[in-house]
Amino acid sequence: SQQGEEDPQALSIQEGENATMNCSYKTSINNLQWYRQNSGRGLVHLILIRSNEREKHSGRLRVTLDTSKKSSSLLITASRAADTASYFCATDAKGGKLIFGQGTELSVKP
Amino acid sequence: DAGVTQSPTHLIKTRGQQVTLRCSPKSGHDTVSWYQQALGQGPQFIFQYYEEEERQRGNFPDRFSGHQFPNYSSELNVNALLLGDSALYLCASSLKGTLTFFGQGTRLTVV
Repeated sequence: SQQGEEDPQALSIQEGENATMNCSYKTSINNLQWYRQNSGRGLVHLILIRSNEREKHSGRLRVTLDTSKKSSSLLITASRAADTASYFCATDAKGGKLIFGQGTELSVKP
Repeated sequence: DAGVTQSPTHLIKTRGQQVTLRCSPKSGHDTVSWYQQALGQGPQFIFQYYEEEERQRGNFPDRFSGHQFPNYSSELNVNALLLGDSALYLCASSLKGTLTFFGQGTRLTVV
């Protein structure tokens, strides 16, 4: 079974706009990771945020974590057509077993 | 560094057959996990291997088994294939709780 929900399930924006995806989970975690997947192939690791961190940045990516609400968000700024992909959050509660949400399908139109 | 490599890329099998998928972890990684991803879904954890032993297991039947070799590479075996086993099978490697890296996956189609 999936850990939680991702919202929205699908998002369509224009190039240059910002994209925000949200993830909620159910149990206590050690860390939360965000991944990108293009066309049903392998997952590309984007960013890891630990349970004692509240915000993390990597290039155009900004991730927040609210452990009291058991939620996280991924913000992609100044989106590009190449950002079109599915985005997944995954929680790690114990020893590297990742539990994924169902993902957000992002479409960035040029 | 080749990252996590999986073989084969695609595979077509008949119901009832058995299949073996292979994975080489990223250099320096000692933990290998396997995930099943059905179309339109997020990956689901099958099991994890560390020091050649299964350390954690998800909610998958015994038809799914695995192995880790001394060089940390791993195999996933599925017996008595069902149509519902058709999915993308992803291998992931990590080093004791650090970042988890995924391979490109093996697309299994059961007909």
